[in-house]
Amino acid sequence: SQKIEQNSEALNIQEGKTATLTCNYTNYSPAYLQWYRQDPGRGPVFLLLIRENEKEKRKERLKVTFDTTLKQSLFHITASQPADSATYLCALNQAGTALIFGKGTTLSVSS
Amino acid sequence: DAGVTQSPTHLIKTRGQQVTLRCSPKSGHDTVSWYQQALGQGPQFIFQYYEEEERQRGNFPDRFSGHQFPNYSSELNVNALLLGDSALYLCASSSWTVHYNSPLHFGNGTRLTVT
Repeated sequence: SQKIEQNSEALNIQEGKTATLTCNYTNYSPAYLQWYRQDPGRGPVFLLLIRENEKEKRKERLKVTFDTTLKQSLFHITASQPADSATYLCALNQAGTALIFGKGTTLSVSS
Repeated sequence: DAGVTQSPTHLIKTRGQQVTLRCSPKSGHDTVSWYQQALGQGPQFIFQYYEEEERQRGNFPDRFSGHQFPNYSSELNVNALLLGDSALYLCASSSWTVHYNSPLHFGNGTRLTVT
């Protein structure tokens, strides 16, 4: 069956360091991969979208890579800040299908 | 420009009861998707509505049903509530023509507790 795995449930890093979150998938050939941020008690907020034919996408301090051979996406936050503390969700879909989410990784950035 | 709005924000129901949750999509959007998010889990896709029809459905029983109105707003109905239905129910909107390669806009959800 199709599976999306985000490598760890929790990640703790110090302010100023780079946070790297991993998303792996199996039995799936996604056309698009998206990352969302979710704060406690709130709905997910879209961050970045990357297509299967793109290797990398950047937005300010955020960077996403997409390796369809490894079936993996990496999400980087550079110069992390305590305000970056949240749960980050990876989501995939094939053309014509609904967006499917991973469990998420909770990032804590300490000052 | 209002984003996605959901009501109510919180709800407590008893096992066996029925519940209706409501969603108004972001202005300019015509497609509504519903997700269930249990504590500590990612959102799970329930179903999607466009042009007042259910277009796709996830792995949820028939106790979960929905409706979309001509103004694009939507309702999620759950019958014969079980304890396991306790979760955050999220509504997301998008535009059908670019649905599959554009982000979803989520509301802040309805927290349903079944006792």
